[in-house]
Amino acid sequence: QLQLQESGPGLVKPSETLSLTCSVSGVSISSSNCYWGWIRQPPGKGLEWIGSIYYSGSTYYNPSLKSRVTISVDTSKDQFSLKLSSVTAADTAIYYCARQDGSGLIGKYWGQGTLVTVSS
Amino acid sequence: DIVMTQSPDSLAVSLGERATINCKSSQSVLYSSNNKNYLAWYQQKPGQPPKLLIYWASTRESGVPDRFSGSGSGTEFTLTISSLQAEDVAVYYCQQYYSTPSLVTFGQGTKVEIK
Repeated sequence: QLQLQESGPGLVKPSETLSLTCSVSGVSISSSNCYWGWIRQPPGKGLEWIGSIYYSGSTYYNPSLKSRVTISVDTSKDQFSLKLSSVTAADTAIYYCARQDGSGLIGKYWGQGTLVTVSS
Repeated sequence: DIVMTQSPDSLAVSLGERATINCKSSQSVLYSSNNKNYLAWYQQKPGQPPKLLIYWASTRESGVPDRFSGSGSGTEFTLTISSLQAEDVAVYYCQQYYSTPSLVTFGQGTKVEIK
């Protein structure tokens, strides 16, 4: 059974870089025709897709965040990562990692989410 | 970008009654080459990630009760809960994946409560 688990600091200072890692178990991250993505949700608000990466390393970003986002993959560890630079309080959110299938459907494989708070 | 707009923002329905949520996309999400609508519906309860209910606009995910159904094509879609149960209290989101892999977008969410 495919499982995803986010990890990383829960508190980041303004202007610094938010870094999160998603560990994938139950399948090799490089074995599937799928994308591995990040989605966030500010407290009490809706869902925003941040971006995704194909196992080959091709990346796709939300244009509204593109200048600050980097997603990378480490196939040897079955992990993919998110870096968001120059954070502000508006970046405070629950960050989810998820699997997107070849059609782009995010589907049923989500991490449980991790709350990241941006505060000094 | 394809903008997804849901209506209403919230609704209160009596137990056993029908709940209907609408979702409109700013451009068609029907892919002509395979005649599929790239539209999904999710249910989210507090403290949990979204749960997939419906994909391809009308295909129910395995294990989802048959009181949940999706319909529509092109730019207008509907999620129907035929007989609302207490455990259906949640926020529901539509999502288009037509723009994949460039940009996936969600509706703003509809909160469903018991009247």
